Amino acid sequence: KQEVTQIPAALSVPEGENLVLNCSFTDSAIYNLQWFRQDPGKGLTSLLLIQSSQREQTSGRLNASLDKSSGRSTLYIAASQPGDSATYLCATFQGDTDKLIFGTGTRLQVFP
Amino acid sequence: GAVVSQHPSWVICKSGTSVKIECRSLDFQATTMFWYRQFPKQSLMLMATSNEGSKATYEQGVEKDKFLINHASLTLSTLTVTSAHPEDSSFYICSADPGTGDEKLFFGSGTQLSVL
Repeated sequence: KQEVTQIPAALSVPEGENLVLNCSFTDSAIYNLQWFRQDPGKGLTSLLLIQSSQREQTSGRLNASLDKSSGRSTLYIAASQPGDSATYLCATFQGDTDKLIFGTGTRLQVFP
Repeated sequence: GAVVSQHPSWVICKSGTSVKIECRSLDFQATTMFWYRQFPKQSLMLMATSNEGSKATYEQGVEKDKFLINHASLTLSTLTVTSAHPEDSSFYICSADPGTGDEKLFFGSGTQLSVL
């Protein structure tokens, strides 16, 4: 059974810092890995999707990397801003199914 | 991009009542929809997989008689929390699979349920 964990659970940083959020998964036979953002009491916003054949994806100040062999993905946020404050979730599919398994999340707060 | 509408956004009800939550795919058809539950400061936990025209598949530990799922059309799935109790208070969120093969799901905005 796929298990996904994220560290740190919470992070509070001053504006302008570069950040690394970590995601680990137990079953390396993944189809893809996705990163989402969730604002309090809101739904999910898809940030990046990395296919299993890819090593990284970039969107603006966000860069996500994938290392299947070690069961890890990282989300790099450059020059963080207060508007980046949210919970960040990584997710991947359970085996060969279409069930998306979410990580435990990292709650990020960027203060001015 | 594909849009999934979830309604209501929040609901407060008395213990013992039933609450229905709707999940609609607005600009695409979804043969499969998923329902998740999220407790405060926790991640999303898959409750069930909803397939159009057939019975939902529930995850272990989720009571199917408590959480009734109906997927009557290719654009609508509903989750009914029957005889709700305070412990059912949670954030419920749905997602829909457009079936494009790229394994990308689209999520509703969620429903915050508070049972008094």
